[in-house]
Amino acid sequence: SYELTQPPSVSVSPGQTARITCSGDALPKRYAYWYQQKPGQAPVLLIYQATERPSWIPERFSGSSSGTTVTLTISGVQAEDEADYFCQSADNSGTFVFGSGTKVTVL
Amino acid sequence: QVQLQESGPGLVKPSQTLSLTCTVSGDSISGSGYFWNWIRQHPGKGLEWIGYIYSSGSTYSSTSYNPSLKSRVSISVDTSNRQFSLKLSTVTVADTAVYFCAAGGTGGFDPWGQGTLVTVSS
Repeated sequence: SYELTQPPSVSVSPGQTARITCSGDALPKRYAYWYQQKPGQAPVLLIYQATERPSWIPERFSGSSSGTTVTLTISGVQAEDEADYFCQSADNSGTFVFGSGTKVTVL
Repeated sequence: QVQLQESGPGLVKPSQTLSLTCTVSGDSISGSGYFWNWIRQHPGKGLEWIGYIYSSGSTYSSTSYNPSLKSRVSISVDTSNRQFSLKLSTVTVADTAVYFCAAGGTGGFDPWGQGTLVTVSS
C-alpha cells in the first residue's frame, strides 16, 4: 500500500526554524496537505495543495514542494507550536493517505 | 461556518457493528461541494481515512472507501437531518479508535468534528 514517510520527531529551540519533510512517490501528481494536532484535539488544516495557507493560519507556517517531497516549514517557532504534524495526500487510485506523523518538540 | 459533531455508542462488543453519526451545521450537506468523510485514529497512532460520501441532492450520492476496510464499511447520508453515518461491521479490538468526521474537498479535510472514542470490548 502507498505510504507517506515523515521523520518521527523534530526538536527545535524557540525562535528557530523547524522543517518537516514528507516523501511519497505520487506527490508530484497529487495535492499534499498538512495538519497540526495537539493532545486531545482534532487535527487542524495548516496547508493545502502543498503551498497554500488558509487565511486564519499564522504566516510562520509555510509549505513547499520538490519532486517526491513536500516540506512544512515553521519559522520563528513558538512554544504553542509543540504538537504532532501529519502530511496527507492520495495514492494513484484516489485513496486518501496520511503520513505517520512528526512530533515537534520545542526545547 | 461549517461545524461537525460526532455521536454514537462509546462501547461496542466484538463481532458487532459500530454505528456513528455526524451532524452538520452551518451549511447544507447536499450540494455544498463538500465530501463528507470519516477518519479514525488508533490510540497514540496516526490517522486512517475510512471513506467519504458525496451528496448532490436528496436522491443522488456517491461513496468511496479505503480498500483496507471496504468489505466492512458503509457510509450513508440523511440530507433532511443534515447527518451522515458510518457503519463498520464485525468489529474487533483493532477497531478501537477515536473516530472523526470531517468535511473535505480539494482544500483538504477542514473542518473536523471533535472526535469520539469507540472502544471494542466484551
